[in-house]
Amino acid sequence: DAGVTQSPTHLIKTRGQQVTLRCSPKSGHDTVSWYQQALGQGPQFIFQYYEEEERQRGNFPDRFSGHQFPNYSSELNVNALLLGDSALYLCASSFQAGGGETQYFGPGTRLLVL
Amino acid sequence: QQPVQSPQAVILREGEDAVINCSSSKALYSVHWYRQKHGEAPVFLMILLKGGEQKGHDKISASFNEKKQQSSLYLTASQLSYSGTYFCGTEIEGNTGFQKLVFGTGTRLLVSP
Repeated sequence: DAGVTQSPTHLIKTRGQQVTLRCSPKSGHDTVSWYQQALGQGPQFIFQYYEEEERQRGNFPDRFSGHQFPNYSSELNVNALLLGDSALYLCASSFQAGGGETQYFGPGTRLLVL
Repeated sequence: QQPVQSPQAVILREGEDAVINCSSSKALYSVHWYRQKHGEAPVFLMILLKGGEQKGHDKISASFNEKKQQSSLYLTASQLSYSGTYFCGTEIEGNTGFQKLVFGTGTRLLVSP
């Protein structure tokens, strides 16, 4: 049973560029949540997708956008990159967007903005 | 909104016990506990739901006080493999009416031989 997968594993970009990160959920899961984790901090909720719609969003600017495909995989797009966007980006999948469901994390994409 | 975890760090000798606390100012639907080792993704340990249901790890226990909006994670007879950073995630209602998971700042645990 494949777990949550993310690509790429590492990425280096320069300020002002745009980046797209990808996530495939665990088999049987239909909900994908994205988190940003800065060094030494806990994961910060970016947004959650269910049935191809953004269901909930954290306190992130509109530069952060996402998409969910019919096969439940998801993309996170970040435009106009800033140095402060450097972080580990984690994707977590769960079954249904209702409360009380366990979220399983992928290995993450480490983004460095120069 | 971010839950407060205590202690921030703890050092144990193998076999000792520890308690990690998590406190929120918001009404909680559930509390999730994760362990993260350096350079790795968070690994699910346990989820505690309103009404007392728990799902998770065999050798780790936890409690959830719904009225006080607090949870505690109990690590007994610690093993070297328990070392890592522990995060509680509190499930709260977001502004769209759906829940979201908000993580604390973490508790660093080091178990030495």
